[in-house]
Amino acid sequence: QVQLQQWGAGLLKPSETLSLTCAVHGGSFSGYHWSWIRQPPGKGLEWIGEINHSGSTNYNPSLKSRVTMSVDTSKNQFSLKLSSVTAADTALFYCARGPVAAGLAAYFDYWGQGALVTVSS
Amino acid sequence: DIQMTQSPSSLSASVGDRVTIACRAGQNIFTYLNWYQQTSGKAPKLLIYAASSLQTGVPSRFSGSGSGTDFTLTISSLQPEDFAIYYCQQSYSSPLTFGGGTKVEI
Repeated sequence: QVQLQQWGAGLLKPSETLSLTCAVHGGSFSGYHWSWIRQPPGKGLEWIGEINHSGSTNYNPSLKSRVTMSVDTSKNQFSLKLSSVTAADTALFYCARGPVAAGLAAYFDYWGQGALVTVSS
Repeated sequence: DIQMTQSPSSLSASVGDRVTIACRAGQNIFTYLNWYQQTSGKAPKLLIYAASSLQTGVPSRFSGSGSGTDFTLTISSLQPEDFAIYYCQQSYSSPLTFGGGTKVEI
């Protein structure tokens, strides 16, 4: 059974850098892409970007200038850094497996438990 | 970016009801459409992929249909555990985008 466990700092001040890590337990790490998705309180879901085992990335253009994703295949972990955060970045951040390509689809099938990041002065 | 619009944004229903949620894409996405369920305080759960394929372990009362720009998620007989928020998501082009969600309430 695949499990994603995530962690990182929960309270940041404006202009600081958000840092989250997600560890993958079970299943193959190198055979998949891995994503970060966020959800502001009471709002919908926003895909931040994805990374594969070789470190190739694809970021959402809306956040691209501030996002860096990295991978550590020796630990089956991947990470997110989001720089220059503001209150608008306050959200529940999820790591997820995917997009997993299956025919005419690409979906997220396993998710982390979520990590609330609050940006406040 | 491909805009995904869900309707309604919320609905009230009773146990045993048949519930239908709509999702419209801003352009043709063929069948690159997935549905997720999010219950309070939990991560989204994949229900349907490729517009109509049921994810393993998901009850058969859930079904999806549609292609092109218009899609539907149907719950044939609503159960207590189905009260949640449902999201559609397109995977036709990057950036991947989600609909705004439909809250199914008692």
